[in-house]
Amino acid sequence: QKEVEQDPGPLSVPEGAIVSLNCTYSNSAFQYFMWYRQYSRKGPELLMYTYSSGNKEDGRFTAQVDKSSKYISLFIRDSQPSDSATYLCAMSANSYSGNTPLVFGKGTRLSVIA
Amino acid sequence: IAGITQAPTSQILAAGRRMTLRCTQDMRHNAMYWYRQDLGLGLRLIHYSNTAGTTGKGEVPDGYSVSRANTDDFPLTLASAVPSQTSVYFCASRATGTDTQYFGPGTRLTVL
Repeated sequence: QKEVEQDPGPLSVPEGAIVSLNCTYSNSAFQYFMWYRQYSRKGPELLMYTYSSGNKEDGRFTAQVDKSSKYISLFIRDSQPSDSATYLCAMSANSYSGNTPLVFGKGTRLSVIA
Repeated sequence: IAGITQAPTSQILAAGRRMTLRCTQDMRHNAMYWYRQDLGLGLRLIHYSNTAGTTGKGEVPDGYSVSRANTDDFPLTLASAVPSQTSVYFCASRATGTDTQYFGPGTRLTVL
């Protein structure tokens, strides 16, 4: 079993829809959870960062972590065509250490159709 | 320079040739990373460096080497390129005390 599982999609939604992106993981030591957004032919950029369980909201984006289920989600409200990108989840067990680097999901490709 | 730069942007290389991918950051971050990204496999860590003068192996280090002579530069060398090294390569950096990694724009490498 891979440490991090993420449905690769592609996911296609109409503009204005609520999008739900998810990752599951197997390592119970993971405590730091991130979502990166990657536009076509660009490098990933950090979108959301959460520590341990709970919710975090930033504008139209909400990140949720459920450590008991080993499940994280990213919700996008009022989706826009500019949200079309690949979304990668990432997580790590120990902060600040390159010896336990980020483990990335494979990414979900999202298309928001105008 | 702002952030992380990578060079070249893209390259076609004959198998067996030596190639160095360059990465420079101006954020004075201590930690730097090299990833390769392949369709269906996601981002995989090749090598990392926690601070200047130190390096470590990631998930897929074979066929690659790195050096970290100073804080700003972290070159990745393919000593003798093979077609399986065809990929998009991303350099990233992270400031001490944070988990956030900042990525460069990537280098598209094709080995024929």
